[in-house]
Amino acid sequence: SAVISQKPSRDICQRGTSLTIQCQVDSQVTMMFWYRQQPGQSLTLIATANQGSEATYESGFVIDKFPISRPNLTFSTLTVSNMSPEDSSIYLCSVEAPSLQETQYFGPGTRLLVL
Amino acid sequence: QKEVEQNSGPLSVPEGAIASLNCTYSDRGSQSFFWYRQYSGKSPELIMFIYSNGDKEDGRFTAQLNKASQYVSLLIRDSQPSDSATYLCAGGQSGGYNKLIFGAGTRLAVHP
Repeated sequence: SAVISQKPSRDICQRGTSLTIQCQVDSQVTMMFWYRQQPGQSLTLIATANQGSEATYESGFVIDKFPISRPNLTFSTLTVSNMSPEDSSIYLCSVEAPSLQETQYFGPGTRLLVL
Repeated sequence: QKEVEQNSGPLSVPEGAIASLNCTYSDRGSQSFFWYRQYSGKSPELIMFIYSNGDKEDGRFTAQLNKASQYVSLLIRDSQPSDSATYLCAGGQSGGYNKLIFGAGTRLAVHP
């Protein structure tokens, strides 16, 4: 499986500010995804990060709030903009295994607390 | 809306017993199914995937798939306290979207 790292691992932010989360993979992957996991909840897909084109957002998530970049096949960023306490969550990136369609591996996650 | 349903638990089993975790899904077109284990404060870790009807065994874990009944299960034999975690069931969304639909997870507690 791919080795996935995320930065930062955790952060405490003030409302109204923005935070950019980085996701780095040790090999080239086609599909990268960003999820949110709120306390005690399951995973909610925010968007699919597409290399060379705009991300594909799920219902309820918009680019102005969660802009995503995917400059190459090993890296992506998710920005949480104009944060409010409701954005406090764990943010996870995942990648699809190149040889196993639909099989996803997750990064360690970023724990975000918004005050 | 396509969904994956799991009993939230907690499912409590004694050490050494078989833990049985169940999952149903609504998307008849789903072809692949996954079980992830998530320890508290950690990210999900893939432990099993299954594509075909029947059983698939890997060590102490057995995944079972019944597409006619839209039912997936995970059996953990000889349960250990270290198996205590939340188990997430996920199904691939039909239509070529390369996306997974996750259940809410079942919390498993294995007591000595």
